[in-house]
Amino acid sequence: DAGITQSPRHKVTETGTPVTLRCHQTENHRYMYWYRQDPGHGLRLIHYSYGVKDTDKGEVSDGYSVSRSKTEDFLLTLESATSSQTSVYFCAISESNPSGDTGELFFGEGSRLTVL
Amino acid sequence: QQPVQSPQAVILREGEDAVINCSSSKALYSVHWYRQKHGEAPIFLMILLKGGEQKGHDKISASFNEKKQQSSLYLTASQLSYSGTYFCGTVNPGGGADGLTFGKGTHLIIQP
Repeated sequence: DAGITQSPRHKVTETGTPVTLRCHQTENHRYMYWYRQDPGHGLRLIHYSYGVKDTDKGEVSDGYSVSRSKTEDFLLTLESATSSQTSVYFCAISESNPSGDTGELFFGEGSRLTVL
Repeated sequence: QQPVQSPQAVILREGEDAVINCSSSKALYSVHWYRQKHGEAPIFLMILLKGGEQKGHDKISASFNEKKQQSSLYLTASQLSYSGTYFCGTVNPGGGADGLTFGKGTHLIIQP
């Protein structure tokens, strides 16, 4: 199994508070991703990283920021949480295929966030 | 834009076959398939690259039609362990390693 851990696994917070989710990998994979999963929507990409300090936006990035100061850690921050950000958040890691596109994704166990 | 998966849900008896389809409005470079059981993380099944077809596990295989921008996942002689939600994830040409765009999923229930 890929060494990828997320913390916290569960969090309940109030609207307007800041929240940071952490993703830690021991695989030394170059690429890291944050997805959110909501009923009826599947998995949607929030942000991704292609190296230390190299990040970019996904399709649902509004209200989220990320940082990657070390290869092994990818942080997702909600500066001011809203109820619409209640979701299950999955971190994933990968290496690219030889052709350069996204390779197999290894997912963390998920972080369930509830914003009241 | 998310690829469209069909059917949204299917219920089968153990031993029956199933087909799950994934269709995109954009050109595709590759297609991934994942399975997720309730309360767990998605796990990788297989990847289909442009110009090829790859068989991943056991009695699960898939096809990729680049011209039609479609992929199909075939589950033969389904087992109880195949139950779960199946997602296709697509890579568009020029997308690089910037992640997958997933469909909304197909719920598969296998009954004894």
